[in-house]
Amino acid sequence: AQTVTQSQPEMSVQEAETVTLSCTYDTSESDYYLFWYKQPPSRQMILVIRQEAYKQQNATENRFSVNFQKAAKSFSLKISDSQLGDAAMYFCAYRATGANSKLTFGKGITLSVRP
Amino acid sequence: GAVVSQHPSRVICKSGTSVKIECRSLDFQATTMFWYRQFPKKSLMLMATSNEGSKATYEQGVEKDKFLINHASLTLSTLTVTSAHPEDSSFYICSASQSSYGYTFGSGTRLTVV
Repeated sequence: AQTVTQSQPEMSVQEAETVTLSCTYDTSESDYYLFWYKQPPSRQMILVIRQEAYKQQNATENRFSVNFQKAAKSFSLKISDSQLGDAAMYFCAYRATGANSKLTFGKGITLSVRP
Repeated sequence: GAVVSQHPSRVICKSGTSVKIECRSLDFQATTMFWYRQFPKKSLMLMATSNEGSKATYEQGVEKDKFLINHASLTLSTLTVTSAHPEDSSFYICSASQSSYGYTFGSGTRLTVV
């Protein structure tokens, strides 16, 4: 069974600084998808970024980028120029490639941003 | 983009009554929807996978007779919490997939059973 591990329950970053959130996963599949979701206090789940395992290039979305290390099964999220609105819970998630496959979530990490 | 509408956003019910939560995909058809439960500061726990036109698939430990799921059309799935008790109080979230891009989530329902 696939597992997703986020070992840091909380992190804090100074506004305008950079922070990296860690995630590791375990799977026997060679192709799959990885995601980072943000859940602000409103509790609406928002997709931040996704990565297809067959792509070697790390995904980037504006201030958000990932460091995808397939051999190490590591998928960290880097947030650059942190903003107050980045404060939220962040979940790393795995999904197999099959149609309508379920998402497997990590435990999440609470990110606070210091003004 | 894909939008999933979930209603109600908040509901308070008396112990022993039933509550229905709706999840609609507004601009796409969803043959599969997912229902999650989330406790404060915790991760999403998958309860069941809702399949259009067939029975839902429940995760281990989830009582199917208590959490009734109906997916009667390609745009609507409902979760009914039957004979609710205070321990059923939680945040319930649905999601649906339009493509391999990922899943779109509803805004969630905060259920309080008194």
